[in-house]
Amino acid sequence: DTAVSQTPKYLVTQMGNDKSIKCEQNLGHDTMYWYKQDSKKFLKIMFSYNNKELIINETVPNRFSPKSPDKAHLNLHINSLELGDSAVYFCASRNTPGSSYNEQFFGPGTRLTVL
Amino acid sequence: AQSVTQPDIHITVSEGASLELRCNYSYGATPYLFWYVQSPGQGLQLLLKYFSGDTLVQGIKGFEAEFKRSQSSFNLRKPSVHWSDAAEYFCAVGAGAKLTGGGNKLTFGTGTQLKVEL
Repeated sequence: DTAVSQTPKYLVTQMGNDKSIKCEQNLGHDTMYWYKQDSKKFLKIMFSYNNKELIINETVPNRFSPKSPDKAHLNLHINSLELGDSAVYFCASRNTPGSSYNEQFFGPGTRLTVL
Repeated sequence: AQSVTQPDIHITVSEGASLELRCNYSYGATPYLFWYVQSPGQGLQLLLKYFSGDTLVQGIKGFEAEFKRSQSSFNLRKPSVHWSDAAEYFCAVGAGAKLTGGGNKLTFGTGTQLKVEL
């Protein structure tokens, strides 16, 4: 069973379009993240949600709007796509019980190409 | 703010040779350190992690890493590399680890691409 899944795996679209990427985790975790990996493989956090509440927003343009319908899902909607949005987007999840620390589990990534 | 430096962008080793990938971190409190591996076209897989205790940690696929507080380092090692180890390796530090909720985040280094010569 896939722990963290993302759809689609590949997304090719034109500039100016609006698109969504979906993420689901079946680990029972309460926290989910979106990371962006650019063409130089640099990974940077974009958002985190805990129990459907936005916790981290790392200065991401407001064209990017995450939505968490429940704690197992975190979707990413992108309006007015730009060339610079081309990247691989990774979803991750983690459990946050009390004061212990657990690693993040990553999905397989969605490769977005904006033409 | 936390940061991670991986000084080597590319490393090439022969199959069967030993490997050490360097990682230096900057963080004001006790660091929570991770190594992830990314195979071509794949997601990130956790190799190992350090939270506390023994500074030499063992991971999957025969990897180990040693935490050295005095050097702010968390280098990854493997005694004998296999061709299937060719991949991109990322060191990361976890910040805000004791915050409940989603307050913590991972800060990644820029990665080291490992090539294995047969």
